[in-house]
Amino acid sequence: DTAVSQTPKYLVTQMGNDKSIKCEQNLGHDTMYWYKQDSKKFLKIMFSYNNKELIINETVPNRFSPKSPDKAHLNLHINSLELGDSAVYFCASSQDARVQNIQYFGAGTRLSVL
Amino acid sequence: AQSVTQLGSHVSVSEGALVLLRCNYSSSVPPYLFWYVQYPNQGLQLLLKYTTGATLVKGINGFEAEFKKSETSFHLTKPSAHMSDAAEYFCAVSDNNDYKLSFGAGTTVTVRA
Repeated sequence: DTAVSQTPKYLVTQMGNDKSIKCEQNLGHDTMYWYKQDSKKFLKIMFSYNNKELIINETVPNRFSPKSPDKAHLNLHINSLELGDSAVYFCASSQDARVQNIQYFGAGTRLSVL
Repeated sequence: AQSVTQLGSHVSVSEGALVLLRCNYSSSVPPYLFWYVQYPNQGLQLLLKYTTGATLVKGINGFEAEFKKSETSFHLTKPSAHMSDAAEYFCAVSDNNDYKLSFGAGTTVTVRA
């Protein structure tokens, strides 16, 4: 039973389209994250939610909008996709927002914008 | 703000040889330090972490790391590499001044038979 699951695994789309990535965790954690991993494998935090409340919002274009309907789910919607959005997006969760906690990652969503 | 530098983007070792991956951090307050591993087409998983206490930390799969405050380092070692250790390794740092984890650029490990 997968702890942090993301869908879809692969997403290929045209520039200008809008797309969503879904994430669910069954660990009972309070905190969830979105990370972007670029083509050089550099991993950077985008957003974090704790109990459905946004606590980290890094310098991300406002075309990216996270939504947390409940603490087990954190979705990422991207408007007007650009070539530079091509990357692997990882969802993660941790027990709570304390920074010393382990983060558990999903398998990633590979987004290709053509 | 904290940051991490991983020396060497690519390390190649022979099976059975020592694996040494270098990580240096900067943090204005006591850091929390992590090593994560990413196998091909998978998410990251924790190898080990240091928060407080003993500076030599043992993790999964025979890996260990030592926190050296004077050197601001947290290098990862494994005495004997297996083929299954081929992966991407990330060092990460956080501290109580920030809610986020900052990752290094990663080190790709290949293991030669």
